Amino acid sequence: NAGVTQTPKFQVLKTGQSMTLQCAQDMNHEYMSWYRQDPGMGLRLIHYSVGAGITDQGEVPNGYNVSRSTTEDFPLRLLSAAPSQTSVYFCASSDTPQAEAFFGQGTRLTVV
Amino acid sequence: AQRVTQPEKLLSVFKGAPVELKCNYSYSGSPELFWYVQYSRQRLQLLLRHISRESIKGFTADLNKGETSFHLKKPFAQEEDSAMYYCALSTGGFKTIFGAGTRLFVKA
Repeated sequence: NAGVTQTPKFQVLKTGQSMTLQCAQDMNHEYMSWYRQDPGMGLRLIHYSVGAGITDQGEVPNGYNVSRSTTEDFPLRLLSAAPSQTSVYFCASSDTPQAEAFFGQGTRLTVV
Repeated sequence: AQRVTQPEKLLSVFKGAPVELKCNYSYSGSPELFWYVQYSRQRLQLLLRHISRESIKGFTADLNKGETSFHLKKPFAQEEDSAMYYCALSTGGFKTIFGAGTRLFVKA
């Protein structure tokens, strides 16, 4: 079972570059979300989606865009990378927001 | 505002000792509370949730609405329990909020 798959696992960007972090799940979950994990701050919600075509902002959405064209995929776009976006990014999916969340392996992003 | 507080960044105990990881939440409605665990080089995974009232790997957690707490407890810690633990709150909307996490280190 693949579960939640994130790519890439590691990425180094220069300030100002853009990129897309990929997230795919094969469990037919409606609810998907993106978090960033920073030391001492835990996981903070960036964006989430309750189904194809529906997205909304979380706690720290600035500098990030998302789209949900299919149930399976929920990519996260960094429009113009900044050093403050250096973090570990996790994608998660669940049947409902109250159900168990399944996480991807994470993407470690460094912006120099 | 909804908030989850884990006051300890690091908790170090000896093998066989009891362990308690604290979690306090702020939410005026009926919360759904979870504990997630991240072992070294593994992805974050659910440990337990309050509505299931089960014990997983010897861990239990009781929701105390009066104290707005959901502390995670285990009577006898094992070395394999060393990991990062996150308390999480789902508010019935579409957001799940995580605490800052507590790193548990169980010494031999």
